[in-house]
Amino acid sequence: DGGITQSPKYLFRKEGQNVTLSCEQNLNHDAMYWYRQDPGQGLRLIYYSQIVNDFQKGDIAEGYSVSREKKESFPLTVTSAQKNPTAFYLCASKSWQTSYNEQFFGPGTRLTVL
Amino acid sequence: AQKITQTQPGMFVQEKEAVTLDCTYDTSDQSYGLFWYKQPSSGEMIFLIYQGSYDEQNATEGRYSLNFQKARKSANLVISASQLGDSAMYFCAMREVGGFKTIFGAGTRLFVKA
Repeated sequence: DGGITQSPKYLFRKEGQNVTLSCEQNLNHDAMYWYRQDPGQGLRLIYYSQIVNDFQKGDIAEGYSVSREKKESFPLTVTSAQKNPTAFYLCASKSWQTSYNEQFFGPGTRLTVL
Repeated sequence: AQKITQTQPGMFVQEKEAVTLDCTYDTSDQSYGLFWYKQPSSGEMIFLIYQGSYDEQNATEGRYSLNFQKARKSANLVISASQLGDSAMYFCAMREVGGFKTIFGAGTRLFVKA
């Protein structure tokens, strides 16, 4: 089955630690995205990547970093510089080949800072 | 700047009745797409329906239809014959055609009553 996987589902971090959230897709999509969702709010864009080895900052990139070394993978690192990292993180991908260029989303990772 | 406004934080509907979720948007782009996504309690975002700014007819997908009023800049989602499984968060979103960034509204939580 084609889709997007995110791991882990739940992640606990101590203050001052960096953590990396995994996102893998087997849809052969070129574009990939990371969003942050806080309780009762919409999605805010952290980073996006249009092609391998290229990525751009979104609206709330401070305290986060990404890499795109492979088409299938777009990991997100939450650094200690992110002051309030507790949130739900969603990864998405998109292709120009689908009818509406809609985004496909992974199941999400819920990060809690202890 | 682009903006999506969903003014209903929560909505209740009786099972088997229809419900309309409001969405207004603001953009200076001439060519754009409007999306609706459903987010169940599991967290994953599910694409429901798409409307292009130049589409003359309102989009429909099964029990979902989009009431598109371009002059008013509104793109309301209509769910007919509500089911208990429709209880979820619903997000309206917009993206410029050919663009990479999607803007999301704050969402509306729908509760379907038996």
